[in-house]
Amino acid sequence: DQQVKQNSPSLSVQEGRISILNCDYTNSMFDYFLWYKKYPAEGPTFLISISSIKDKNEDGRFTVFLNKSAKHLSLHIVPSQPGDSAVYFCAASGAQKLVFGQGTRLTINP
Amino acid sequence: DVKVTQSSRYLVKRTGEKVFLECVQDMDHENMFWYRQDPGLGLRLIYFSYDVKMKEKGDIPEGYSVSREKKERFSLILESASTNQTSMYLCASSWGRNGYTFGSGTRLTVV
Repeated sequence: DQQVKQNSPSLSVQEGRISILNCDYTNSMFDYFLWYKKYPAEGPTFLISISSIKDKNEDGRFTVFLNKSAKHLSLHIVPSQPGDSAVYFCAASGAQKLVFGQGTRLTINP
Repeated sequence: DVKVTQSSRYLVKRTGEKVFLECVQDMDHENMFWYRQDPGLGLRLIYFSYDVKMKEKGDIPEGYSVSREKKERFSLILESASTNQTSMYLCASSWGRNGYTFGSGTRLTVV
């Protein structure tokens, strides 16, 4: 049972445009959500997070939106840069451990 | 910054071998985790530990065991390696439920 789902395995965006990555979850007990970025042959690194008491959190080019009623969160990257090409995982926090989605491979085209 | 070190970047082992994957963190983190990453499946939790000598099963513990004799070290053991255990293995540690730091991963190939 996949509690955290990223339904788009891949996304291709032109440099300078907005990238939108989506994530859905099923467990209403999750109260903290995170995005991680992963380059090949490296471990995931923390990108941005949001508490369930908020609906938006912004950090530079990265913004995460949370819609609790829809159990949906999204990551917006604007403007997209070539260095943003990576696999992005969303994660939800429950009971001291993180549950991860399947990941979305983002490719930024020049 | 906390550092999580996985002893090997690449490993090739034979079917049936006993395999040890080592992970060491240099901060005083209570929590440590082992995940595997497979295409289309994301990161799946194998085992985790909240304290020395303590371990709990994650979502896919079958075929694996763990050892945590010291706070800084968390070992993943494949008792008898099989080809379906070919994967990227990622260790993480955290100070709480949200502050995960991952190691660089071990790419294990079982032939």
